[in-house]
Amino acid sequence: DAMVIQNPRYQVTQFGKPVTLSCSQTLNHNVMYWYQQKSSQAPKLLFHYYDKDFNNEADTPDNFQSRRPNTSFCFLDIRSPGLGDAAMYLCATSRDFVETQYFGPGTRLLVL
Amino acid sequence: GESVGLHLPTLSVQEGDNSIINCAYSNSASDYFIWYKQESGKGPQFIIDIRSNMDKRQGQRVTVLLNKTVKHLSLQIAATQPGDSAVYFCAETPGDGNQFYFGTGTSLTVIP
Repeated sequence: DAMVIQNPRYQVTQFGKPVTLSCSQTLNHNVMYWYQQKSSQAPKLLFHYYDKDFNNEADTPDNFQSRRPNTSFCFLDIRSPGLGDAAMYLCATSRDFVETQYFGPGTRLLVL
Repeated sequence: GESVGLHLPTLSVQEGDNSIINCAYSNSASDYFIWYKQESGKGPQFIIDIRSNMDKRQGQRVTVLLNKTVKHLSLQIAATQPGDSAVYFCAETPGDGNQFYFGTGTSLTVIP
């Protein structure tokens, strides 16, 4: 059974056209994370929520925003995608900090 | 920032042999460690974890060894199978932290 679900699995957008990626979880975990992963690189943390508390990593561009309307859902908004934003975007959840993070299958974003 | 790195970027093994993937970390306060397996086009999948109060943990065909003295972590895969071909990431977090730091990844190829 899927525990961390990401939609869509593949997303194509145009340069500068806003795009939203979604993540949902059935684990009732407190923490949700968004990572960006480029080819042959490790995942890079963009931000996380502990419940409704939002934490933005210092080097996450302002172009990236996030929303968590409830425990189950979290969204990644890219306001003006550039070519350099093409990547795999991974959502993860954990019950608490310093606990195992469970990843979704990822959304691969292509920017034309 | 944290430094979590892997000694070898690629590893090729014969089917049936044992595989050893290594990871070095720099933060002596690191408290919790996870190994993830990531197949092409998929999200990282939890394999095994270990906390700093242990030096060895075993799962099904996998063993994680932690040497805190030299800040070294290894993943051993017994009787490696073609389905084990993937990129393996180590990740660590300090006990008071709120994020995991990922290593650069080792690509394991199993030769039939």
